[in-house]
Amino acid sequence: QSALTQPASVSGSPGQSITISCTGASSDIGGSNYVSWYQQHPGKAPKLMIYEVSDRPSGVSNRFSGSKSGNTASLTISGLQAEDEADYYCTSYTSTGTLRVFGTGTKVTVL
Amino acid sequence: EVQLLESGGGLVQPGGSLRLSCAASGFTFSIYAMSWVRQAPGKGLEWVSAFSGSGGRTSYADSVKGRFTISRDNSKNTLYMQMNSLRAEDTAVYYCAKERSGGLEVDYGMDVWGQGTTVTVSS
Repeated sequence: QSALTQPASVSGSPGQSITISCTGASSDIGGSNYVSWYQQHPGKAPKLMIYEVSDRPSGVSNRFSGSKSGNTASLTISGLQAEDEADYYCTSYTSTGTLRVFGTGTKVTVL
Repeated sequence: EVQLLESGGGLVQPGGSLRLSCAASGFTFSIYAMSWVRQAPGKGLEWVSAFSGSGGRTSYADSVKGRFTISRDNSKNTLYMQMNSLRAEDTAVYYCAKERSGGLEVDYGMDVWGQGTTVTVSS
Protein backbone atom coordinates (compact mmCIF):
# COMPACT_ATOMS: atom_id res chain seq x y z
CA GLN A 1 0.00 0.00 0.00
CA SER A 2 1.59 3.29 -1.11
CA ALA A 3 1.32 6.42 0.99
CA LEU A 4 -1.30 8.98 0.10
CA THR A 5 0.14 11.94 -1.81
CA GLN A 6 0.29 15.38 -0.20
CA PRO A 7 2.17 18.52 -1.27
CA ALA A 8 5.44 18.86 0.60
CA SER A 9 4.73 22.40 1.68
CA VAL A 10 2.00 25.04 1.71
CA SER A 11 2.35 28.58 2.97
CA GLY A 12 0.13 31.55 3.63
CA SER A 13 -0.02 34.87 5.42
CA PRO A 14 -1.85 35.40 8.69
CA GLY A 15 -5.58 35.66 8.10
CA GLN A 16 -5.48 33.92 4.75
CA SER A 17 -6.94 30.52 3.91
CA ILE A 18 -4.91 27.58 2.68
CA THR A 19 -5.89 24.15 1.42
CA ILE A 20 -3.88 20.94 1.66
CA SER A 21 -4.73 18.12 -0.73
CA CYS A 22 -4.43 14.40 -0.12
CA THR A 23 -4.66 12.14 -3.15
CA GLY A 24 -5.23 8.42 -2.99
CA ALA A 25 -7.11 5.80 -4.93
CA SER A 26 -10.47 4.10 -5.16
CA SER A 27 -9.27 1.54 -2.63
CA ASP A 28 -8.81 4.18 0.05
CA ILE A 29 -10.03 7.78 -0.14
CA GLY A 30 -12.30 7.18 -3.10
CA GLY A 31 -13.90 4.13 -1.54
CA SER A 32 -14.75 5.31 1.96
CA ASN A 33 -15.56 8.31 4.10
CA TYR A 34 -12.93 7.38 6.65
CA VAL A 35 -10.46 10.18 6.09
CA SER A 36 -8.73 11.86 9.04
CA TRP A 37 -6.29 14.73 9.39
CA TYR A 38 -3.59 15.23 12.03
CA GLN A 39 -1.53 18.22 13.09
CA GLN A 40 1.97 17.71 14.44
CA HIS A 41 4.18 20.38 15.92
CA PRO A 42 7.93 19.71 16.10
CA GLY A 43 8.83 17.23 18.79
CA LYS A 44 5.20 16.63 19.71
CA ALA A 45 2.73 13.82 19.21
CA PRO A 46 0.15 14.19 16.44
CA LYS A 47 -3.26 15.68 17.20
CA LEU A 48 -6.50 14.63 15.54
CA MET A 49 -8.04 17.60 13.72
CA ILE A 50 -10.63 16.05 11.38
CA TYR A 51 -12.26 12.61 11.16
CA GLU A 52 -14.75 11.05 8.75
CA VAL A 53 -13.76 13.56 6.07
CA SER A 54 -15.24 16.66 7.66
CA ASP A 55 -16.05 16.17 11.36
CA ARG A 56 -14.12 17.99 14.07
CA PRO A 57 -13.37 16.55 17.50
CA SER A 58 -14.44 18.62 20.44
CA GLY A 59 -12.00 21.44 21.07
CA VAL A 60 -10.69 21.77 17.52
CA SER A 61 -11.17 25.22 16.06
CA ASN A 62 -13.83 25.63 13.37
CA ARG A 63 -11.15 27.30 11.27
CA PHE A 64 -10.24 23.75 10.26
CA SER A 65 -12.50 22.05 7.75
CA GLY A 66 -12.32 18.95 5.59
CA SER A 67 -13.85 17.77 2.34
CA LYS A 68 -13.50 15.05 -0.27
CA SER A 69 -14.04 14.72 -4.00
CA GLY A 70 -13.35 11.44 -5.73
CA ASN A 71 -9.94 10.13 -4.72
CA THR A 72 -8.79 13.43 -3.20
CA ALA A 73 -9.44 14.77 0.28
CA SER A 74 -8.67 18.32 1.37
CA LEU A 75 -8.02 20.17 4.59
CA THR A 76 -8.69 23.90 4.63
CA ILE A 77 -7.37 26.21 7.32
CA SER A 78 -9.09 29.57 7.30
CA GLY A 79 -7.96 32.67 9.15
CA LEU A 80 -4.42 31.31 9.28
CA GLN A 81 -2.64 31.92 12.58
CA ALA A 82 0.98 31.58 13.65
CA GLU A 83 0.08 28.60 15.84
CA ASP A 84 -1.12 26.72 12.75
CA GLU A 85 2.46 26.37 11.55
CA ALA A 86 3.03 22.62 11.78
CA ASP A 87 3.10 19.42 9.77
CA TYR A 88 -0.22 18.00 8.63
CA TYR A 89 -0.97 14.40 7.70
CA CYS A 90 -4.00 12.77 6.17
CA THR A 91 -4.95 9.16 6.72
CA SER A 92 -7.53 6.89 5.20
CA TYR A 93 -9.05 3.52 5.73
CA THR A 94 -7.99 1.25 2.89
CA SER A 95 -9.72 -1.87 1.62
CA THR A 96 -6.35 -3.49 1.04
CA GLY A 97 -5.06 -5.83 3.72
CA THR A 98 -3.27 -3.14 5.68
CA LEU A 99 -6.51 -1.22 6.51
CA ARG A 100 -4.74 2.08 7.31
CA VAL A 101 -2.52 4.40 5.26
CA PHE A 102 -0.97 7.80 6.02
CA GLY A 103 -0.24 10.65 3.68
CA THR A 104 3.26 11.89 2.95
CA GLY A 105 2.79 14.98 5.09
CA THR A 106 2.63 18.72 4.39
CA LYS A 107 4.59 21.42 6.15
CA VAL A 108 2.49 24.53 6.65
CA THR A 109 4.40 27.78 6.98
CA VAL A 110 2.80 31.01 8.17
CA LEU A 111 4.62 33.85 6.45
CA GLU B 1 -7.04 11.96 32.67
CA VAL B 2 -6.85 9.93 29.48
CA GLN B 3 -3.24 8.92 28.97
CA LEU B 4 -0.96 6.58 27.03
CA LEU B 5 2.58 5.92 28.17
CA GLU B 6 5.00 4.03 25.93
CA SER B 7 8.13 2.29 27.11
CA GLY B 8 10.64 -0.28 25.95
CA GLY B 9 12.53 1.65 23.32
CA GLY B 10 16.30 1.64 23.08
CA LEU B 11 19.36 0.77 21.03
CA VAL B 12 19.42 -2.65 19.41
CA GLN B 13 21.67 -4.27 16.83
CA PRO B 14 20.38 -5.23 13.39
CA GLY B 15 18.64 -8.58 13.58
CA GLY B 16 17.82 -8.08 17.23
CA SER B 17 14.50 -7.91 19.06
CA LEU B 18 12.68 -5.43 21.25
CA ARG B 19 9.27 -5.30 22.94
CA LEU B 20 7.43 -2.04 23.27
CA SER B 21 4.68 -1.48 25.83
CA CYS B 22 1.93 1.12 26.00
CA ALA B 23 0.14 1.58 29.33
CA ALA B 24 -3.31 3.11 29.05
CA SER B 25 -5.31 4.93 31.70
CA GLY B 26 -8.40 7.09 32.01
CA PHE B 27 -10.62 5.18 29.57
CA THR B 28 -12.12 1.72 29.06
CA PHE B 29 -9.15 0.23 27.26
CA SER B 30 -10.79 -3.04 26.22
CA ILE B 31 -13.43 -1.57 23.94
CA TYR B 32 -11.18 0.53 21.72
CA ALA B 33 -8.90 -0.45 18.86
CA MET B 34 -5.28 0.56 19.39
CA SER B 35 -2.57 1.37 16.88
CA TRP B 36 1.19 1.79 16.65
CA VAL B 37 2.46 4.60 14.43
CA ARG B 38 6.14 5.38 13.85
CA GLN B 39 8.17 8.30 12.61
CA ALA B 40 11.70 7.89 11.35
CA PRO B 41 14.08 10.81 12.01
CA GLY B 42 13.09 13.76 9.85
CA LYS B 43 10.41 11.73 8.08
CA GLY B 44 6.62 11.48 8.07
CA LEU B 45 4.23 9.35 10.06
CA GLU B 46 3.86 5.69 9.12
CA TRP B 47 1.06 3.49 10.42
CA VAL B 48 2.57 0.22 11.66
CA SER B 49 -0.11 -1.99 13.17
CA ALA B 50 -3.50 -2.08 14.86
CA PHE B 51 -5.42 -4.38 17.21
CA SER B 52 -9.20 -4.27 17.43
CA GLY B 53 -11.02 -3.71 20.69
CA SER B 54 -12.80 -7.00 20.44
CA GLY B 55 -12.63 -10.03 18.23
CA GLY B 56 -8.87 -10.07 18.26
CA ARG B 57 -8.38 -8.75 14.73
CA THR B 58 -4.96 -7.38 13.86
CA SER B 59 -3.45 -5.65 10.86
CA TYR B 60 0.09 -4.76 9.83
CA ALA B 61 1.89 -2.53 7.38
CA ASP B 62 3.66 -4.50 4.64
CA SER B 63 6.99 -3.14 5.90
CA VAL B 64 6.70 -5.00 9.22
CA LYS B 65 4.49 -7.96 8.39
CA GLY B 66 6.07 -11.22 9.55
CA ARG B 67 8.56 -9.44 11.83
CA PHE B 68 6.37 -7.47 14.25
CA THR B 69 3.56 -8.84 16.40
CA ILE B 70 0.98 -6.64 18.10
CA SER B 71 -0.84 -7.86 21.20
CA ARG B 72 -2.83 -6.48 24.10
CA ASP B 73 -3.62 -7.46 27.68
CA ASN B 74 -6.95 -5.90 28.58
CA SER B 75 -6.54 -6.97 32.23
CA LYS B 76 -3.43 -4.78 32.41
CA ASN B 77 -4.69 -2.02 30.09
CA THR B 78 -1.55 -2.48 28.05
CA LEU B 79 -0.72 -2.70 24.35
CA TYR B 80 2.46 -4.39 23.14
CA MET B 81 4.57 -4.61 20.03
CA GLN B 82 7.09 -7.43 19.72
CA MET B 83 9.66 -6.43 17.13
CA ASN B 84 11.94 -9.11 15.72
CA SER B 85 14.55 -9.15 12.95
CA LEU B 86 15.00 -5.42 13.35
CA ARG B 87 16.53 -3.42 10.53
CA ALA B 88 18.15 0.00 10.34
CA GLU B 89 15.02 1.30 8.60
CA ASP B 90 12.96 0.45 11.70
CA THR B 91 14.75 3.27 13.54
CA ALA B 92 12.01 5.67 14.59
CA VAL B 93 9.93 7.15 17.36
CA TYR B 94 7.09 4.72 17.99
CA TYR B 95 3.76 6.16 19.09
CA CYS B 96 0.89 4.29 20.63
CA ALA B 97 -2.53 5.71 19.73
CA LYS B 98 -6.11 5.05 20.79
CA GLU B 99 -8.63 4.76 17.98
CA ARG B 100 -12.09 6.24 18.38
CA SER B 101 -13.69 2.98 17.29
CA GLY B 102 -13.48 -0.61 18.46
CA GLY B 103 -13.17 -2.24 15.08
CA LEU B 104 -10.63 -2.00 12.30
CA GLU B 105 -13.15 -2.00 9.45
CA VAL B 106 -14.01 1.60 10.24
CA ASP B 107 -11.67 4.50 10.92
CA TYR B 108 -12.92 7.37 13.04
CA GLY B 109 -9.41 8.62 13.75
CA MET B 110 -6.92 8.30 16.59
CA ASP B 111 -7.76 10.75 19.35
CA VAL B 112 -5.25 9.95 22.09
CA TRP B 113 -1.50 9.60 21.54
CA GLY B 114 1.40 8.77 23.77
CA GLN B 115 4.62 10.77 23.88
CA GLY B 116 6.50 8.13 21.90
CA THR B 117 9.43 5.83 22.58
CA THR B 118 12.59 5.85 20.48
CA VAL B 119 13.93 2.73 18.81
CA THR B 120 17.40 2.86 17.28
CA VAL B 121 18.67 -0.05 15.24
CA SER B 122 22.40 0.23 14.74
CA SER B 123 25.58 -1.75 15.17
